[in-house]
Amino acid sequence: GQSLEQPSEVTAVEGAIVQINCTYQTSGFYGLSWYQQHDGGAPTFLSYNGLDGLEETGRFSSFLSRSDSYGYLLLQELQMKDSASYFCAVGRSSYKLIFGSGTRLLVRP
Amino acid sequence: GAVVSQHPSRVICKSGTSVKIECRSLDFQATTMFWYRQFPKQSLMLMATSNEGSKATYEQGVEKDKFLINHASLTLSTLTVTSAHPEDSSFYICSARGGENTEAFFGQGTRLTVV
Repeated sequence: GQSLEQPSEVTAVEGAIVQINCTYQTSGFYGLSWYQQHDGGAPTFLSYNGLDGLEETGRFSSFLSRSDSYGYLLLQELQMKDSASYFCAVGRSSYKLIFGSGTRLLVRP
Repeated sequence: GAVVSQHPSRVICKSGTSVKIECRSLDFQATTMFWYRQFPKQSLMLMATSNEGSKATYEQGVEKDKFLINHASLTLSTLTVTSAHPEDSSFYICSARGGENTEAFFGQGTRLTVV
């Protein structure tokens, strides 16, 4: 089976840095993806890690350690519009994706 | 990125009726489409994977006779919720990709309410 665990909620202030962790247990592994979803909307792709290490895309970075079955999403210079749910997902989007439980991020002024 | 269009965005239907949701890839040919369901404040749960021209592969616990998936062309997949009941009320989202090792893109989602 497969399971992914994330914190349910995180609160941070505008301009700060926040890290959202994800631990996973899977029978097969095709990389860790991160998605953002605003209320009522569809998920949008943020980042993908197929190998260990850090991937940086603008204000967002994602890290993976396959030996620890662990990854995180780092959001810098937080903006109000970053308030959303963030999901880690096992599998590249070219394979089927299994999503984590999601972390609701609330950015306060 | 590529565009995946899902229709309708919202639908309300009576209990016992069937509802069809369409997922179209507008600017690429989608060999594989994925259907997800999401209940409020919960994660996306994969329901099934469909490949063009073949039968869909359903995840464990998903009733194939209740959630009919058709992927008859490279640009269109449909999900039909048959004999809908209030517990089927949910957010249904499709995702489509053009081939192996290609990115997949999500539709806008369909909010189904069964009354």
